[in-house]
Amino acid sequence: GENVEQHPSTLSVQEGDSAVIKCTYSDSASNYFPWYKQELGKRPQLIIDIRSNVGEKKDQRIAVTLNKTAKHFSLHITETQPEDSAVYFCAAPRPGSNYQLIWGAGTKLIIKP
Amino acid sequence: EAGVAQSPRYKIIEKRQSVAFWCNPISGHATLYWYQQILGQGPKLLIQFQNNGVVDDSQLPKDRFSAERLKGVDSTLKIQPAKLEDSAVYLCASSLELVGGNIQYFGAGTRLSVL
Repeated sequence: GENVEQHPSTLSVQEGDSAVIKCTYSDSASNYFPWYKQELGKRPQLIIDIRSNVGEKKDQRIAVTLNKTAKHFSLHITETQPEDSAVYFCAAPRPGSNYQLIWGAGTKLIIKP
Repeated sequence: EAGVAQSPRYKIIEKRQSVAFWCNPISGHATLYWYQQILGQGPKLLIQFQNNGVVDDSQLPKDRFSAERLKGVDSTLKIQPAKLEDSAVYLCASSLELVGGNIQYFGAGTRLSVL
């Protein structure tokens, strides 16, 4: 069935280290994969997205990689900083829908000083 | 550009009371979504509008929830009567339809506490 699995649910890393969050999806026809960041008490905000015609996209310290064969995509944050602490959500298009997204359960990223 | 506006930011009611939330999407965005986000979970879609028509309300508990977008711009979501399990943040989002995937922009949400 339609599903987006996100792991881990909580990730604690030392400031300056890298963090990786992984999501898997079920529909091989999915072609758009966004990542949203939600700080405590605030709205989810898009931080990076990738379309299925590329395998990797970078924006400063953030990158997303896509493996269409394995049907998974990952968020990579390098040189983590305290302001990276938040909940991160991945999403993928809901099959057969009109611009709907299926959301992962979220990963709480904790940056230890 | 102005973002998605929602009001109120917080609401506390007792069970069986009624409550309404308001959303003003980004100008020009045809698609509007209402989500329910329970603490520690991802957003759950309640209803999707395109202009003033309902695209999908399959996950809306229609016995108590209703929503409308009469002029294809602002939208209201109502709960009547509220239950304890309705305590959550209600997020409104809007988007443009783009080939290959659309970006959803979220409002700040309304945090509802049902006592």
